[in-house]
Amino acid sequence: DTEVTQTPKHLVMGMTNKKSLKCEQHMGHRAMYWYKQKAKKPPELMFVYSYEKLSINESVPSRFSPECPNSSLLNLHLHALQPEDSALYLCASSRLAGATDTQYFGPGTRLTVL
Amino acid sequence: GDSVTQMEGPVTLSEEAFLTINCTYTATGYPSLFWYVQYPGEGLQLLLKATKADDKGSNKGFEATYRKETTSFHLEKGSVQVSDSAVYFCALSPLSGAQKLVFGQGTRLTINP
Repeated sequence: DTEVTQTPKHLVMGMTNKKSLKCEQHMGHRAMYWYKQKAKKPPELMFVYSYEKLSINESVPSRFSPECPNSSLLNLHLHALQPEDSALYLCASSRLAGATDTQYFGPGTRLTVL
Repeated sequence: GDSVTQMEGPVTLSEEAFLTINCTYTATGYPSLFWYVQYPGEGLQLLLKATKADDKGSNKGFEATYRKETTSFHLEKGSVQVSDSAVYFCALSPLSGAQKLVFGQGTRLTINP
């Protein structure tokens, strides 16, 4: 089973709201990722967690705050977003963070910021 | 730096046609190579992968061979179906900084009945 689940599937929020995206995997993977994908573009890496520790932050604005409470769960907390943050947010996981470790993606959360 | 170049889309074919989507890469050493597919409104699904030179990845009738002499990983399918309509992304996982998948721009494929 290579399933990564994400909730919610869709989210609409105002610029003053606080919301969270959730990602879960039960494959025993120790690396988890957040990506942002705009329409007709490839995914862009935002954050990487390895063994529940943040290992990469791709200079993402602080209005996005990741959290990895345990090895199966990854959250992305959202606060004071801008309309240009509207996108598909994808979570992925891999066994480890090595070159031959395949990243498996979830279905994504489609975020609209009004 | 590392990069992936895919053929420009969109690509439109008739059902049962032969498909090739070109992918070439620039990287240090021998990265792992992947094809991902994204159906409308969905996330990315791994289609196939190859981790060393001359490896052939295959899945659901799709194939791609890791060619280090031409730094290519072209995707092929002998007979496409309407259900293959999607966006296809070629990607590499570099040897250093392996967590950072490097994606091509994606190729939108439409198959007409």
